Amino acid sequence: SQELEQSPQSLIVQEGKNLTINCTSSKTLYGLYWYKQKYGEGLIFLMMLQKGGEEKSHEKITAKLDEKKQQSSLHITASQPSHAGIYLCGADRGGGADGLTFGKGTHLIIQP
Amino acid sequence: DSGVTQTPKHLITATGQRVTLRCSPRSGDLSVYWYQQSLDQGLQFLIQYYNGEERAKGNILERFSAQQFPDLHSELNLSSLELGDSALYFCASSVVSGGTDTQYFGPGTRLTVL
Repeated sequence: SQELEQSPQSLIVQEGKNLTINCTSSKTLYGLYWYKQKYGEGLIFLMMLQKGGEEKSHEKITAKLDEKKQQSSLHITASQPSHAGIYLCGADRGGGADGLTFGKGTHLIIQP
Repeated sequence: DSGVTQTPKHLITATGQRVTLRCSPRSGDLSVYWYQQSLDQGLQFLIQYYNGEERAKGNILERFSAQQFPDLHSELNLSSLELGDSALYFCASSVVSGGTDTQYFGPGTRLTVL
């Protein structure tokens, strides 16, 4: 099965600072999803990347897909307390199987 | 609010028991996915149904089963429960079936097995 490694596992950032979270796949990426989860709650869809070199932005969050490196990065600019939570990357497993494989998540804490 | 609903929100039961978790997908979505999230295993795909039929299987135990009904709601049945089955169970839905179709997640059911 496809393995997804997220780094860092946890991140403490001062409010207003920028940060980057990475997601690296051991296999070919067919589609890469970013979700955010508040502790113990459901996952909120952020972005989906499909093509190599694709970059998408939503408010202060930008995600990129590097197909050659089989890696995606999520960048948050001028972080705010509302950005705190767990960020999960999920990947299409391909081969006709439609469930997503997820990384372990990155715990983001924003310090005032 | 994703539009996906799950009931109950919390469930506490004993080992050996059987429980049923319910999921209603977003209006118009034909695919329903079930995931299990635990501290040690993370978020894992269990099973997917598309328009009433099983479409894909992940790491689902034989003690677990699911079905999708004609009105497209789905139920996940967990039997002979063990302590290790304690987890958050999520349902997600998408319009069609396919890895590039965005899956929207429900709020989850927290299962505690004592």
